[in-house]
Amino acid sequence: AQSVTQPDIHITVSEGASLELRCNYSYGATPYLFWYVQSPGQGLQLLLKYFSGDTLVQGIKGFEAEFKRSQSSFNLRKPSVHWSDAAEYFCAVGASGYSTLTFGKGTMLLVSP
Amino acid sequence: EAQVTQNPRYLITVTGKKLTVTCSQNMNHEYMSWYRQDPGLGLRQIYYSMNVEVTDKGDVPEGYKVSRKEKRNFPLILESPSPNQTSLYFCASRFGGTFTDTQYFGPGTRLTVL
Repeated sequence: AQSVTQPDIHITVSEGASLELRCNYSYGATPYLFWYVQSPGQGLQLLLKYFSGDTLVQGIKGFEAEFKRSQSSFNLRKPSVHWSDAAEYFCAVGASGYSTLTFGKGTMLLVSP
Repeated sequence: EAQVTQNPRYLITVTGKKLTVTCSQNMNHEYMSWYRQDPGLGLRQIYYSMNVEVTDKGDVPEGYKVSRKEKRNFPLILESPSPNQTSLYFCASRFGGTFTDTQYFGPGTRLTVL
């Protein structure tokens, strides 16, 4: 079965600084990978997804993620963080042939002035 | 507007009192699912449905029931709630069973069982 690890529970970044949130997955074949964001009191919103092809994917709100098969990683990046980016971020993986999406435990992003 | 709605958004109840959380989508999606979110555990799938009258267990189905009598609705039923079911619940839907379809989430239902 597939699994997802988000090593950082909390991350604090200064406004305007760059951001990288880590995600490692475990799955034998090529996975379907996703990043979702959850703002306080809100549901989850899809930021970006990777299925195949170009390993650098662009998402909404200026986010991007890079799929690295050799490292089993799908890290989320943003060059300049805004205060409105403060939220909880979830990495998720889906496996071909299964309908279940498996989520990581989330990383809470705090943005300092 | 395409959306997934859940009701109620907040619910406080007592142990053993049956409750239903409704979920409805207006996108004609075949696939619907329920998750619970707990601090430090992320989202875990409770049940999912591939289509009308087709449901299956997710990772944490104990203590829950679901039904899918209509395509748009997927209610979550707690026959005898217990305090360990206090959680934040999300309903989600997507067009089909493949991950190439975007999964949409409802706003969440915060349930407290005393």
